[in-house]
Amino acid sequence: DVKVTQSSRYLVKRTGEKVFLECVQDMDHENMFWYRQDPGLGLRLIYFSYDVKMKEKGDIPEGYSVSREKKERFSLILESASTNQTSMYLCASSLQGFLPANEQFFGPGTRLTVL
Amino acid sequence: AQTVTQSQPEMSVQEAETVTLSCTYDTSESDYYLFWYKQPPSRQMILVIRQEAYKQQNATENRFSVNFQKAAKSFSLKISDSQLGDAAMYFCAYCGGGADGLTFGKGTHLIIQP
Repeated sequence: DVKVTQSSRYLVKRTGEKVFLECVQDMDHENMFWYRQDPGLGLRLIYFSYDVKMKEKGDIPEGYSVSREKKERFSLILESASTNQTSMYLCASSLQGFLPANEQFFGPGTRLTVL
Repeated sequence: AQTVTQSQPEMSVQEAETVTLSCTYDTSESDYYLFWYKQPPSRQMILVIRQEAYKQQNATENRFSVNFQKAAKSFSLKISDSQLGDAAMYFCAYCGGGADGLTFGKGTHLIIQP
């Protein structure tokens, strides 16, 4: 089974802190994604990566950055956390390939609260 | 930009009955992929079913089937013989292919009444 793990299930940080959310997948997937999930808004794509050291902006990249130094690990960074970044963060991974679009496998999520 | 609309924030159905969740989307692409994901209260998202736009035949996975109407840009999910374990948030999602991320709808909360 594909396993996508996230470093924390719950995280509480203070405004202005630098926050790292870590995601690791064990199935040698090329593509990795970060989404945030908010009630009534569904999931929105923050950043994604299709290869080591490559990154692409999603729909809501402002206030976030990412790092992918190794194929299995994709980090989401909040340079200076703000209260409006309080949310559930979901990581996902998938195999590369244009056709067909491959299933994304999700991690359990990190509930981040910024005070 | 692609958009995905789920017009039913919440649905309720009696156990063993059939329920249909609605999804519409907007795209100018001719080739794309549509998905239904399920998120139970434990929060792990799992894929329920997917449909390639170039396939006319509706996808089916056991009790789950879709009604894909490409011209109408509609992609509804039918759950037959509803079970208590089907209770979850259901998200419709669109993907243009390749390494693109998914565009999700806002979700439908499905309640199963025993």
